[in-house]
Amino acid sequence: DTGVSQDPRHKITKRGQNVTFRCDPISEHNRLYWYRQTLGQGPEFLTYFQNEAQLEKSRLLSDRFSAERPKGSFSTLEIQRTEQGDSAMYLCASSSGLAVGELFFGEGSRLTVL
Amino acid sequence: AQSVTQLDSHVSVSEGTPVLLRCNYSSSYSPSLFWYVQHPNKGLQLLLKYTSAATLVKGINGFEAEFKKSETSFHLTKPSAHMSDAAEYFCVVITNTGGFKTIFGAGTRLFVKA
Repeated sequence: DTGVSQDPRHKITKRGQNVTFRCDPISEHNRLYWYRQTLGQGPEFLTYFQNEAQLEKSRLLSDRFSAERPKGSFSTLEIQRTEQGDSAMYLCASSSGLAVGELFFGEGSRLTVL
Repeated sequence: AQSVTQLDSHVSVSEGTPVLLRCNYSSSYSPSLFWYVQHPNKGLQLLLKYTSAATLVKGINGFEAEFKKSETSFHLTKPSAHMSDAAEYFCVVITNTGGFKTIFGAGTRLFVKA
């Protein structure tokens, strides 16, 4: 399968713990996006990478959130000291530089904070 | 600022009847607009896109959308609904910042009755 893959698909954690999600984009795509989606809402933009450079971050991305894309391939999204309000689906998408807005999404990582 | 408003949170149609999902946008510039579909437990998938070429855009699975600048609308239509069309649909606008941040509407849940 050459689509966008995310791991883990589900994560249950206790409040205060750290969690990390991984995203492997389509290999030839240089742009990578992270979104958060809560029940009944559309995805909310969190951050965006072009190659290894993080070019934009949403105000939603508090100090407890950090994202990296060290070699311009896979990306990680870490949430430190999780709170119950962090419970959501975290979506990763990738795109080529040629087709703006044509995003290919993974199936998401669902986080439940108890 | 750019935004999209999906006018209906839920739409219910009978199989074989037309589908209309409404989206209005706000943009200071000529927008790039998209429709994405999310089936249960599946990743988001691009249905169609408008990027200032033809105002009537055809997408996958028989869907199409018409860009109407005078009405700031980009409604999604399909002549005949199929059971497999039941899903969540999102209208999306691209910002004109360097990061090409995507802004999703809140979504419209489409129900298709047999």
